[in-house]
Amino acid sequence: NAGVTQTPKFQVLKTGQSMTLQCAQDMNHNSMYWYRQDPGMGLRLIYYSASEGTTDKGEVPNGYNVSRLNKREFSLRLESAAPSQTSVYFCASREVQFWNGELFFGEGSRLTVL
Amino acid sequence: GQQLNQSPQSMFIQEGEDVSMNCTSSSIFNTWLWYKQDPGEGPVLLIALYKAGELTSNGRLTAQFGITRKDSFLNISASIPSDVGIYFCAGPRDDMRFGAGTRLTVKP
Repeated sequence: NAGVTQTPKFQVLKTGQSMTLQCAQDMNHNSMYWYRQDPGMGLRLIYYSASEGTTDKGEVPNGYNVSRLNKREFSLRLESAAPSQTSVYFCASREVQFWNGELFFGEGSRLTVL
Repeated sequence: GQQLNQSPQSMFIQEGEDVSMNCTSSSIFNTWLWYKQDPGEGPVLLIALYKAGELTSNGRLTAQFGITRKDSFLNISASIPSDVGIYFCAGPRDDMRFGAGTRLTVKP
């Protein structure tokens, strides 16, 4: 059972380049999330998808777009990368049939924008 | 949106010491979650609290759900080097947000 899988694990971009971070979960969870974690900082919510077909902004959505492709997959796109987007990105999923659904995280994608 | 305030921001302790950290919010939660993040990894759930006033233990970890439903506490007894990491609290809603974390360093 893979859980939450993120790709790529590492990426270096130049300012202005675009890229998409992919996330897939095999736990049949309804909700999926993208977070960023800057060095020495906590987790900040970028976007989330409470259920298939819906997406909502989190705390820091500017400069990002997301797509909930199907129940399994939730991608994060940087259209024009900026050095301020250098960070570790975590995808997570959970079942929200009840409020106490545990959040499961991927291993993270480390992005550097030069 | 909801804001979760964790304290302390960081702790440097000696192996064997007990640790206490807390999380407060201006919003009421029906559930409190505590996660730990090891260096280079994603966070993993330690303890979940579902009822105001509840005290829950998991080995050397004990967590409490505050009676006002606006706070929670996590205690670690007899710390060991592998307790090193960042501890996050979370209040689950659709937009699952986390506190800024408490960074724990344990000196052997």
